[in-house]
Amino acid sequence: QVQLVQSGAEVKKPGASVKVSCKAYGYTFTSSTIGWVRQAPGQGLEWMGWISVYNGNTNYAQKLQGRVTMTTDTSTSTAYMELRSLRSDDTAMFYCARGDSYGYSVEAFDIWGQGTMVTVSS
Amino acid sequence: QSVLTQPPSVSGAPGQRVTISCTGSSSNIGAGYDVHWYQQLPRTAPKLLIYGNNNRPSGVPDRFSGSRSGPSASLAITGLQAEDEADYYCQSYDSSLSGSNWVFGGGTKLTVL
Repeated sequence: QVQLVQSGAEVKKPGASVKVSCKAYGYTFTSSTIGWVRQAPGQGLEWMGWISVYNGNTNYAQKLQGRVTMTTDTSTSTAYMELRSLRSDDTAMFYCARGDSYGYSVEAFDIWGQGTMVTVSS
Repeated sequence: QSVLTQPPSVSGAPGQRVTISCTGSSSNIGAGYDVHWYQQLPRTAPKLLIYGNNNRPSGVPDRFSGSRSGPSASLAITGLQAEDEADYYCQSYDSSLSGSNWVFGGGTKLTVL
């Protein structure tokens, strides 16, 4: 079954870092991109960036530049998202999602992880 | 504030038809970038509902349809059912120099009366 399984919930203090994992099952991991999307409590979806699993190229949202790093480990079919210098407004559900263009100009996220709640609190 | 504008809420009675708009500009939908739609049921991850403006992934009922014209896109739901009550998001690409590249609309909450 094609699925993405994410790591468990995290509680961090302001200024700390968090690293969320996303393990892929049921498809060729290197054939797609992995995108990361976050959702603050009661708010909408915010695109954070993506990584090409094939060549490691990344593209991050401008507002997160310098604080976020996305990586993959093809030996374990796992993607990672690290966010540093955490602030209280980083509290959110973080999702990984498989990207596929389907031949169109914009990649769609067709498979989503279950989400990882990250709470930033002193 | 998203560069793709959606109405915060829409509602309809069972069996009715509702539409959700997604209004962009010349740097995103108006520039010809394609649009995708997602459905997010309460307390669950989003699900791809429409890709490439008007295509349904396998398993999505044909009650759901999408369209794109000029700087806007729309999602239509016919034969409204209680299980359609969810948040809906459009997604596209924005080529302006500031902000994110891949962008989501602010989301629309659909209430089935």
